[in-house]
Amino acid sequence: DQQVKQNSPSLSVQEGRISILNCDYTNSMFDYFLWYKKYPAEGPTFLISISSIKDKNEDGRFTVFLNKSAKHLSLHIVPSQPGDSAVYFCAATPNEKLTFGTGTRLTIIP
Amino acid sequence: DTGVSQDPRHKITKRGQNVTFRCDPISEHNRLYWYRQTLGQGPEFLTYFQNEAQLEKSRLLSDRFSAERPKGSFSTLEIQRTEQGDSAMYLCASSLRFGAGEQFFGPGTRLTVL
Repeated sequence: DQQVKQNSPSLSVQEGRISILNCDYTNSMFDYFLWYKKYPAEGPTFLISISSIKDKNEDGRFTVFLNKSAKHLSLHIVPSQPGDSAVYFCAATPNEKLTFGTGTRLTIIP
Repeated sequence: DTGVSQDPRHKITKRGQNVTFRCDPISEHNRLYWYRQTLGQGPEFLTYFQNEAQLEKSRLLSDRFSAERPKGSFSTLEIQRTEQGDSAMYLCASSLRFGAGEQFFGPGTRLTVL
């Protein structure tokens, strides 16, 4: 039972354009959502988070949008840079335990 | 470097052997988590500690797995009688905030069971 789903295994975006990564969840108890970025041979690195009381959170080039009625969140990266090439994981939690999606591999094309 | 550290980074063992991994969290973090990640999947929660108390264990954590956090500092994860299905990346994370806060991950220990 995959409670957090990232349906796009991979995404390629031209440098300087917008990258949009999507995530869907099924558990209504989730009230806090996070995005992590992972390079090979490293642990996930926290990027940005959003509480269910908000619908948008912005941090520099990264913006996360939450649509609770659709149980959907997205991460926007503008402008995309070559260093953004990595695997991005969406995670959700009602408490201490994070439930992760399967990840989206983002490739930024110079 | 004051991040989460894990040791060893890689471990190759034969089926049936016992292995132990260590995690050193960020020093002021009182919460410590263990996750397991297999190829093509996201990390899956195994267990977590608040200080020295183990507060939750996943059903993924069979009887062959045991985790400790003596004195609320570093933690160890032991796997007894390893099986090939135990091959995975074992990730440790720590956090400070109460409830749903950002968890900071270590680099992981990659276990290969032959």
